[in-house]
Amino acid sequence: AQSVAQPEDQVNVAEGNPLTVKCTYSVSGNPYLFWYVQYPNRGLQFLLKYITGDNLVKGSYGFEAEFNKSQTSFHLKKPSALVSDSALYFCAVSPTKSTDKLIFGTGTRLQVFP
Amino acid sequence: DAGVTQSPTHLIKTRGQQVTLRCSPKSGHDTVSWYQQALGQGPQFIFQYYEEEERQRGNFPDRFSGHQFPNYSSELNVNALLLGDSALYLCASSRGVASGEIWYNEQFFGPGTRLTVL
Repeated sequence: AQSVAQPEDQVNVAEGNPLTVKCTYSVSGNPYLFWYVQYPNRGLQFLLKYITGDNLVKGSYGFEAEFNKSQTSFHLKKPSALVSDSALYFCAVSPTKSTDKLIFGTGTRLQVFP
Repeated sequence: DAGVTQSPTHLIKTRGQQVTLRCSPKSGHDTVSWYQQALGQGPQFIFQYYEEEERQRGNFPDRFSGHQFPNYSSELNVNALLLGDSALYLCASSRGVASGEIWYNEQFFGPGTRLTVL
C-alpha cells in the first residue's frame, strides 16, 4: 500500500538551533514529494517539492529537504529555527506522474521555544 | 490574485442532513481536488474534477459527490451526514507546470471549510 510516515508527532527545538522533521514514504516508482505547513485555522501552504534533479531542494522561509531514494526519505530541515516556524508540517507524496492525488502523512507539530 | 477561496468558513449540521461546500480555484487553474482532514490527521483525498468530470476518486462512499462548473469552480456535496464527517474540508486547485521536460500539477490549497456534525 502507498503510504507516508511522519514518525514524530511533535518536534521541539530552541530558537536558533537547526531543526529536522522526518518523513519516509512507501510508493512504487519515482514519486513526487512535497512539504506543506499548516498554521492554526488555516489551509495548507506549500513549502517545497522534489520532482527530479538535485536531491537537495530549497523552499520557502529558509526550509530545505533532502531526497534519499535508497532510504525512501524526504526529511525537512532548516539551519536556524524561528519561533514563527511553530506550526503543523505535512509531508506528501504523489504516486503518479501527474501529482494529481496527494497522499499525506499524519503531520508533525513543530514547537520552537524562545 | 485571490488564490483559492472556499465557502462557507464554518458550518454546523445535524446527522442525516445534507451539505454543500463551494470552492473557487486560483486564476488560471482548471483542476480542483477535494480533501477531508479529520482532527489530528493528515488530509485524505476525496476526488478530483477536471473539465467538469470526476477524474480520480479516493476511498470515500457515494454519499460524497461533487460537481465542477464551466468556470472551473466546484462544489462538494455530502448526503446523510454522519458524526464522523466532522472535519476540515480542503479544496486544492492546480494546473500543469513544466519542470524541465517534466510536467506536474502544482496544487494550491484554500483555507478550508470546517464542518461540524452534531
